[in-house]
Amino acid sequence: EAGVVQSPRYKIIEKKQPVAFWCNPISGHNTLYWYLQNLGQGPELLIRYENEEAVDDSQLPKDRFSAERLKGVDSTLKIQPAELGDSAVYLCASSLGTSSETQYFGPGTRLLVL
Amino acid sequence: AQSVTQLDSHVSVSEGTPVLLRCNYSSSYSPSLFWYVQHPNKGLQLLLKYTSAATLVKGINGFEAEFKKSETSFHLTKPSAHMSDAAEYFCVVTKPSGTYKYIFGTGTRLKVLA
Repeated sequence: EAGVVQSPRYKIIEKKQPVAFWCNPISGHNTLYWYLQNLGQGPELLIRYENEEAVDDSQLPKDRFSAERLKGVDSTLKIQPAELGDSAVYLCASSLGTSSETQYFGPGTRLLVL
Repeated sequence: AQSVTQLDSHVSVSEGTPVLLRCNYSSSYSPSLFWYVQHPNKGLQLLLKYTSAATLVKGINGFEAEFKKSETSFHLTKPSAHMSDAAEYFCVVTKPSGTYKYIFGTGTRLKVLA
């Protein structure tokens, strides 16, 4: 069974440029999560989707970050414009749903903003 | 509120010696607890989880953890370290049901010496 797929794996951009990350969860997983992981720290939740509905986006900086999961399968996380402090790893995870606790993580996208 | 504290940011052991990675939690609920491992440039992989069944939990690659409510601890152990165990380890606490917001510790980097 394929795991969570993320692309790109690495991205280097200049500040004020836009950037987008893509995630394809494990087949059949209704719940999708985006996390931010700063260097030397544990991941922090940005947004959680149940199917196509964003049910927890309280930690998403909405002035520059946006996310979508239009058909309830794959998802895109966007930053516009990027700032130097956005340099981090962006992780996507998925789980079966509200009755399942285990989250399965993708390899992440490492973003460097210059 | 829930929180988790990983007591050591770095642990070094010699190959073939026991591994102990310490985790203490705080939770107003009976928690679910997880250990994840993150190898360089890889996603987080689930090692084991505790969900109010047996207090001694066995995971993959020879790891196990014991839930001790009286000590609010969930330490990760392995009898004999292997070079391939060198990685970052994260302890995670969450509620046993309902919304699954993972609270991550700051991580422990395990170094295995030849």
